[in-house]
Amino acid sequence: AQSVTQPDIHITVSEGASLELRCNYSYGATPYLFWYVQSPGQGLQLLLKYFSGDTLVQGIKGFEAEFKRSQSSFNLRKPSVHWSDAAEYFCAVEDGSNYQLIWGAGTKLIIKP
Amino acid sequence: NAGVTQTPKFRVLKTGQSMTLLCAQDMNHEYMYWYRQDPGMGLRLIHYSVGEGTTAKGEVPDGYNVSRLKKQNFLLGLESAAPSQTSVYFCASRLDANTEAFFGQGTRLTVV
Repeated sequence: AQSVTQPDIHITVSEGASLELRCNYSYGATPYLFWYVQSPGQGLQLLLKYFSGDTLVQGIKGFEAEFKRSQSSFNLRKPSVHWSDAAEYFCAVEDGSNYQLIWGAGTKLIIKP
Repeated sequence: NAGVTQTPKFRVLKTGQSMTLLCAQDMNHEYMYWYRQDPGMGLRLIHYSVGEGTTAKGEVPDGYNVSRLKKQNFLLGLESAAPSQTSVYFCASRLDANTEAFFGQGTRLTVV
């Protein structure tokens, strides 16, 4: 069965520092992958997605993610974080057989001033 | 551009009461989902629908029922609320498989 692992429950970074959030998936074929962000008290918003082609995908708010098939990873990056990036981030993979998205448990990003 | 709208946004129920959460989408999406989100547990799928008139169980369906009588609406019912159902509930919709999901703003439900 497909699964998604986000190994970091919390990550704290200083404002202006770079960020990398990890996501590993288990999937037999080429996956469809997503990153979502959830601000406090809000629903989830799509940051970016990977379906095929260029393995480095650009998203909104200055985020990017790189698909690495050999490592079964889809890590999210941002060169310089802003205080407004404080939120919870979720990685998801398409379940090709079951009409669902398989979700990671989320990583809460805390920004130090 | 309403997108996905959930009503109500907040609700407090007494144990044993019933209620229905409404999810409406105006994007002509085929797939709709109900999730619950609890601290430290991410999103857990309750029920989903892949088209008008169809529903299916997700990961945590017990204590909930759903209906999709109209394509744009997906209702989540609690017949006899329990404190364990205190949670934030999210509805999401997708055009079809392999597309992104759009989320509502959530319903915060407290069962006392």
